[in-house]
Amino acid sequence: EVQLVESGGGLVQPGRSLRLSCAASGFTFDDYAMHWVRQAPGKGLEWVSGISWNSGTIGYADSVKGRFTISRDNAKNSLYLQMNSLRAEDTALYYCAAGDYSTRVQHWGQGTLVTVSS
Amino acid sequence: QTVVTQEPSLTVSPGGTVTLTCASSTGAVTSGYYPNWFQQKPGQAPRALIYSTSNKHSWTPARFSGSLLGGKAALTLSGVQPEDEAEYYCLLYYGGARVFGGGTKLTVL
Repeated sequence: EVQLVESGGGLVQPGRSLRLSCAASGFTFDDYAMHWVRQAPGKGLEWVSGISWNSGTIGYADSVKGRFTISRDNAKNSLYLQMNSLRAEDTALYYCAAGDYSTRVQHWGQGTLVTVSS
Repeated sequence: QTVVTQEPSLTVSPGGTVTLTCASSTGAVTSGYYPNWFQQKPGQAPRALIYSTSNKHSWTPARFSGSLLGGKAALTLSGVQPEDEAEYYCLLYYGGARVFGGGTKLTVL
């Protein structure tokens, strides 16, 4: 069974940093591209960042470019999101998802909540 | 800034057919945008339904189908069931980045 389990969320002050993790199991992790998608309270989905299976292709939404960094460790079946210079508008439930880099986003985790507030 | 537009809300009767659409501010949606569709119910993570315009995942019910229609990506539900009431999101690929539509709230009434 495919499982994606996010962790690392919490309450953080504006301007501070946070690192999210996503632990994958039940599939061959390095066969898949990975993505971070977020959802602000009561709002729609927003694609945040994606990384190809070998980290050779990485993309970011304009809203996080220069502040967030995606990475993965295939040996640990793990995906990461380093979030710096956090803003109130980054408050959201952050999901990790697995698929291809371009054609599909297939499997989803349950999300980890990030709250940016003083 | 690229904007992907969906109908904010639609209502359909049980057993009926409804089509949701997904438009891009950059112009006509083609297969090269690899449209994906997702269903999300309250308090749940999204669930993938359709990828690359019209391909179904192994768990996607047969009543869901994807296509291109009039320059937009489209998701058609035929023989709608009460459990199909949910928010539906499309996702388009822009050569390195992806953008979600704002979502369509589907009411089955």
